[in-house]
Amino acid sequence: QSALTQPASVSGSPGQSITISCTGTSSDIGGNNYVSWYQQHPGKAPKVMIYDVSNRPSGVSNRFSGSKSGNTASLTISGLQAEDEADYYCSSVTSSDTVIFGGGTKLTVV
Amino acid sequence: EVQLVQSGAEVRKPGESLKISCKGSGYTFTNYWIAWVRQMPGKGLEWMGIIYPGDSDTTYSPSFRGQVTISADKSISTAYLQWSSLKASDTAMYYCARGDCARCKLDPWGQGTPVTVSS
Repeated sequence: QSALTQPASVSGSPGQSITISCTGTSSDIGGNNYVSWYQQHPGKAPKVMIYDVSNRPSGVSNRFSGSKSGNTASLTISGLQAEDEADYYCSSVTSSDTVIFGGGTKLTVV
Repeated sequence: EVQLVQSGAEVRKPGESLKISCKGSGYTFTNYWIAWVRQMPGKGLEWMGIIYPGDSDTTYSPSFRGQVTISADKSISTAYLQWSSLKASDTAMYYCARGDCARCKLDPWGQGTPVTVSS
């Protein structure tokens, strides 16, 4: 199983919007709606930001949104804030009922 | 408050065995899944496998099947990840995380257990 494909890095200015893509195959992203996104600050454990493609857990800012088209999922962060600077990982269930993560994207707020 | 508390940092030599733990509290341990995730130094997240403590139903990633053993003791609300013969390449941070189902989001996560394997 190869990791889902994410851009290594993205950047944006405070107040702007950015989108992180996550590309897989019909055996993972394209075959189900169990796509999640996790935020990880340096030295900290990951935290779920989006689940089941587009759902936000309680307590997560509505500036975070998720979507999916075909084999590609996307995470959009609007109104960028300095605290959003972190690594972001997508994940998907596979046709083998395992889970696969993306390689991670480093978001820099410049 | 739902919490997963992991055991502390470990340093071992290649070839040694190791078992790390993840204790759940604040919820009914047997009603949720526990996944293990590896993060090698400076690298991304890798899903290792998942267990349902209620009946010990376990699924492994093909990359980790046969390399580690995932287990749980529901009497003390604790899940485990163990190695019988460590390699230097097992050096990593290991996280446990709770899932509502085997396919569901992972939330919350434990604080992580750093494992160092070095001669």
